[in-house]
Amino acid sequence: DGGITQSPKYLFRKEGQNVTLSCEQNLNHDAMYWYRQDPGQGLRLIYYSQIVNDFQKGDIAEGYSVSREKKESFPLTVTSAQKNPTAFYLCATSASGASNQPQHFGDGTRLSIL
Amino acid sequence: AQSVTQLGSHVSVSEGALVLLRCNYSSSVPPYLFWYVQYPNQGLQLLLKYTSAATLVKGINGFEAEFKKSETSFHLTKPSAHMSDAAEYFCAVSDPRVPGGYNKLIFGAGTRLAVHP
Repeated sequence: DGGITQSPKYLFRKEGQNVTLSCEQNLNHDAMYWYRQDPGQGLRLIYYSQIVNDFQKGDIAEGYSVSREKKESFPLTVTSAQKNPTAFYLCATSASGASNQPQHFGDGTRLSIL
Repeated sequence: AQSVTQLGSHVSVSEGALVLLRCNYSSSVPPYLFWYVQYPNQGLQLLLKYTSAATLVKGINGFEAEFKKSETSFHLTKPSAHMSDAAEYFCAVSDPRVPGGYNKLIFGAGTRLAVHP
């Protein structure tokens, strides 16, 4: 079954802890994205990657890190430097980085502070 | 810089009534435009897209949108609302001029649609 799998669905972070959110896709898409969603603010881009072993900062990259070692995987680490991490995190993919290509989304991970 | 404005953070309609969700963009050239729907605790699902072909675009679940360059608008409509249409709707734009073609989507703040019996 093709799609984008985000795990876990719910995640809790303790003070000073780094946590990693998983995003895996089997759509054979080149481009992958991470967004943060807060109530009433729409989606904001954290990081994106158009190709393996390359990624770029989005609008709110501070306190986050990513890697793209495989085409299928684009994990996001929320570091202790991110002081307000409570949000809904969405991973997306597109066939290429071209601007006419729609993005397809996973079902999200909700991160909360303990 | 491009921006997207969705007028009305909350819209309420009766079942069977017309749904109209407004989206206006700010761009010096016609952008690519997308509508997405989000159900609670889920990701976004693509409803339809405008990529410079026909100005009236038909999407899934009976929704359609019309690109109007003179009004810089891309409003989403559905002739008859169903209870299952209750969700949050996002309009998004991307810039066709970006060198290298990087697909950065700019999202509106969203409109929450309520459908009552």
